[in-house]
Amino acid sequence: GAGVSQTPSNKVTEKGKYVELRCDPISGHTALYWYRQSLGQGPEFLIYFQGTGAADDSGLPNDRFFAVRPEGSVSTLKIQRTERGDSAVYLCASSPQRYNEQFFGPGTRLTVL
Amino acid sequence: GENVEQHPSTLSVQEGDSAVIKCTYSDSASNYFPWYKQELGKRPQLIIDIRSNVGEKKDQRIAVTLNKTAKHFSLHITETQPEDSAVYFCAARPLSDKVIFGPGTSLSVIP
Repeated sequence: GAGVSQTPSNKVTEKGKYVELRCDPISGHTALYWYRQSLGQGPEFLIYFQGTGAADDSGLPNDRFFAVRPEGSVSTLKIQRTERGDSAVYLCASSPQRYNEQFFGPGTRLTVL
Repeated sequence: GENVEQHPSTLSVQEGDSAVIKCTYSDSASNYFPWYKQELGKRPQLIIDIRSNVGEKKDQRIAVTLNKTAKHFSLHITETQPEDSAVYFCAARPLSDKVIFGPGTSLSVIP
């Protein structure tokens, strides 16, 4: 079946702009995670959804970052007033339920000029 | 919160030799320890995982050991092949459900 998909695959924006990154999880997966991976680093946890609600958003760096999952499937990560330090690969992962293996998407490479 | 450390950061081995990567974690409540392989430009993929009620798990050439008392866990790859070359990440999941990753080990298998 189809895996986790993310769009766009690449996003180049200017400092101060607003961006939205989309994640389509595997059908039926209730848990959805967002991570940020900088070059040479491990994925850094941002936020976790169980269904429609954000069960843990402790990894969001500041209030410029926000994520939603209104129908419990597709999720959107929103970044306001982007900064050059936001440049990274943003990874999404889904899991059939809590405490199960996470399946990663291909990531969105965000570059802030 | 949970903190995961990983050593070495880079590792080169001859084809056919074994490779060992070691990780430590800080939160004694962590109960799930996955290992991911990430090839250049690709997504992380789970290669093996272990839960806290098990001390060792093996899958063909890959094995993982867990010492909960010392808060250590290790990945062992035997009979390494060039296609094993990649970055390997260990991770730990505390009770909060999020997964905390280590900084990664870049493994090169030299033919």
